[in-house]
This record gives sequence, C-alpha cells and structure tokens, in this order.
Amino acid sequence: DADVTQTPRNRITKTGKRIMLECSQTKGHDRMYWYRQDPGLGLRLIYYSFDVKDINKGEISDGYSVSRQAQAKFSLSLESAIPNQTALYFCATSDSARSAAGANVLTFGAGSRLTVL
Amino acid sequence: SQQGEEDPQALSIQEGENATMNCSYKTSINNLQWYRQNSGRGLVHLILIRSNEREKHSGRLRVTLDTSKKSSSLLITASRAADTASYFCATGWDNQGGKLIFGQGTELSVKP
Repeated sequence: DADVTQTPRNRITKTGKRIMLECSQTKGHDRMYWYRQDPGLGLRLIYYSFDVKDINKGEISDGYSVSRQAQAKFSLSLESAIPNQTALYFCATSDSARSAAGANVLTFGAGSRLTVL
Repeated sequence: SQQGEEDPQALSIQEGENATMNCSYKTSINNLQWYRQNSGRGLVHLILIRSNEREKHSGRLRVTLDTSKKSSSLLITASRAADTASYFCATGWDNQGGKLIFGQGTELSVKP
C-alpha cells in the first residue's frame, strides 16, 4: 500500500456541488499539506497542518476548507465547486524532526484529478 | 506569489547528454530542495541542499547553490529516456511557518 493515499483519484462534478478529497498516510508524520497543480503554475499550497489541532492557510485557501480528523487523515473540501477549481490536487506529508525552514522533505500522494463542469 | 522560478520551462535533449535546470528565488533561504514528477504523478524528493553548502551530489545528480545570486542548478549527467519528467525546486525560509513553496518547474524530455 502507498504511504500517502488519496481518494478519489479522479472526479468529475458540476458547478455548485460539494466535493471532499481525502488523504490518509501511514508514515506516522505530524505534518500534512494540500497542494494544487495547474499547468504552467507549478504547485500552490492550499492548506497545511502541523498537528491535529493546528491548521493554517496557504497561498490560495479561498474556496477551500480542510479537516484534520486524526494524525493520519487530512481532508480537503470544496463547499461549492466552480470550474476554475479544475486541477490536480496533491496531499503531502512530512515529519517534524527538521525544524529549519525548508528542511521538511515531503512525501506526496499520487494525486486527485478534479474536473468541475 | 511563487518563490522559485525554474529556467528553462522546457528542455529537450538526446540520451547521453547532460541536462541543466536552474532555479532562482527571491528571499534568503535556509534550505532548497529538488523534486521530480513523472507525468501526472506525485512528486518525489531528489535532494536537499543547505544554505551553507555550495554543491551536493547524488548518483547522476549534481546540485549547486549560490546564495549570493539566489540561484540553484540541477545537473543530470548522462541522461536517460527514463529521466523524462518535470523537475521542481522548492524553498522555505524563516517566518514562513515551515511552508515549502514550489517553483513552476522545468519539463525535461530525453529522446532515445
């Protein structure tokens, strides 16, 4: 089984629908992240969590919410999906052993491709 | 806003040639990482270089860091078709709460 599992892998939905992307990990890592990837824009950070009680907004959090249900689970929700949220979404994890900025090595899931019509 | 910017955006070479990708960043950093992404897949960590290091090697990979120019380069020697992928630099810096910010990536195509 993968260390970081994302479900669903592919989802097509309609404008206005509520969508939840789920992420679970077996790495035992404290830190979890949600990124969005669009062609030509690289990866942009949506939300991140350093432990169950710690949730932080990233660069592009508008239109998204998250829930850290347990150390191993971090879900991303789109309350009312819109077409410009069509993208490839990645969950990633890292441990907290390295405190220096930029030293967190991320383990990524395989991605969830979301299409909003 | 993006912290790192890769150059070139796309690179096409023949097998056996070397591939060089560059990353420039805006803010002084503590560490810089390089990741690889096969088409549509999750990113995989390649190498981390600290701000007090100038060069680091891992197999056919060589990473350099020039903090005075705020730039890093990734060199892949003797490239193979299997190296075809997108390569991203990622940085983090103080007062950013441990976030890792990615550049836009370089798409490398290695032709057999």
